[in-house]
Amino acid sequence: EAGVAQSPRYKIIEKRQSVAFWCNPISGHATLYWYQQILGQGPKLLIQFQNNGVVDDSQLPKDRFSAERLKGVDSTLKIQPAKLEDSAVYLCASSSTAAVANTEAFFGQGTRLTVV
Amino acid sequence: GDSVTQMEGPVTLSEEAFLTINCTYTATGYPSLFWYVQYPGEGLQLLLKATKADDKGSNKGFEATYRKETTSFHLEKGSVQVSDSAVYFCALSDVSSNTGKLIFGQGTTLQVKP
Repeated sequence: EAGVAQSPRYKIIEKRQSVAFWCNPISGHATLYWYQQILGQGPKLLIQFQNNGVVDDSQLPKDRFSAERLKGVDSTLKIQPAKLEDSAVYLCASSSTAAVANTEAFFGQGTRLTVV
Repeated sequence: GDSVTQMEGPVTLSEEAFLTINCTYTATGYPSLFWYVQYPGEGLQLLLKATKADDKGSNKGFEATYRKETTSFHLEKGSVQVSDSAVYFCALSDVSSNTGKLIFGQGTTLQVKP
């Protein structure tokens, strides 16, 4: 079974530029998450999709971040314009069932973003 | 809001030593608890989980028991190997929303020396 795929693995941009990350979840997984992991901290949820609908985006800085999940499969996360504090690893995860509290989430390798 | 606190690292041990990584949580209700591991260059992987009080999760020689009275979920292994060197994250699920959202601790780096 193929895992969660993310691209690119690394990205360096200047502040005020825009950037996009792509995620392909495990086939058949209805739930998709984007987490932000700042160096030295644990991952923090940015947005959660159930199929192509948003379940939770309460921690997403909507003035600069946006995300979509086309046809309930792939997802993109965009930052425009980027700030220095956006430097982090962006993790995509997916899970199989309608999201419930004890469901295992499968994580991709992440995209490491550096804003200079 | 719900939160998870882990012992600070890095933790450096010799091979075959006993490992304990402390994890305590604050939550309304009774969350499921997880340990995830991140090996160098890889994504987060579920190591073990427990879904109710007094449950013991176990995998690859690691164990953790869900202690409701002390709100803890400490990770233990009797004899660590060099291959266990990784970052370990304690996490809980957000019961109030029941969406599968995970709240993570800050992670503890384990380095095992031969």
